[in-house]
Amino acid sequence: QKEVEQNSGPLSVPEGAIASLNCTYSDRGSQSFFWYRQYSGKSPELIMFIYSNGDKEDGRFTAQLNKASQYVSLLIRDSQPSDSATYLCAASSGGSYIPTFGRGTSLIVHP
Amino acid sequence: DAGVTQSPTHLIKTRGQHVTLRCSPISGHKSVSWYQQVLGQGPQFIFQYYEKEERGRGNFPDRFSARQFPNYSSELNVNALLLGDSALYLCASSQDRSSPDTQYFGPGTRLTVL
Repeated sequence: QKEVEQNSGPLSVPEGAIASLNCTYSDRGSQSFFWYRQYSGKSPELIMFIYSNGDKEDGRFTAQLNKASQYVSLLIRDSQPSDSATYLCAASSGGSYIPTFGRGTSLIVHP
Repeated sequence: DAGVTQSPTHLIKTRGQHVTLRCSPISGHKSVSWYQQVLGQGPQFIFQYYEKEERGRGNFPDRFSARQFPNYSSELNVNALLLGDSALYLCASSQDRSSPDTQYFGPGTRLTVL
């Protein structure tokens, strides 16, 4: 059974702070990892994906992957109230994209 | 260009009924995937179709079926509805079945089973 675990939160951070979201996965065969943002009542939106160990940066977002520890994280720098949403972690193995999602972490950025 | 469209947006059914949900992918996208998202959980993969063929199936009972048409639109069918089928059903399209960075979700169909 492939599982992706996330703390449901909520994680509350002040505006301008760094938000750190974490995710662990059980399937060692997972090769690709993804972070989605889902606003309340809306559908998920892909914000980051990472395949290799280490860090990947895109604007205010940094994804970190540690395959030995089966751990993925997402850092959001200079958090804004508009970042308040649920962040879904997903993992996929094999050649086709069939993801296993975590339950999501609710992030609240307060002014 | 229009994004992924789904119909209907909301649906109320009773136990034992059948439902058909529809999805139109982004123009040029050939892969369609269906997900079920129960409140408070992440999306669960149901089916993936590419070039009108089923390419992946999640851990859902045979009451769930789907198909993809020549124009790449897709239908998800659920028979003998149960209360537990109440969820947001998401369709996502992508250029091909291995490109998550081109995958876009539709707005979803909210199904309520009474």
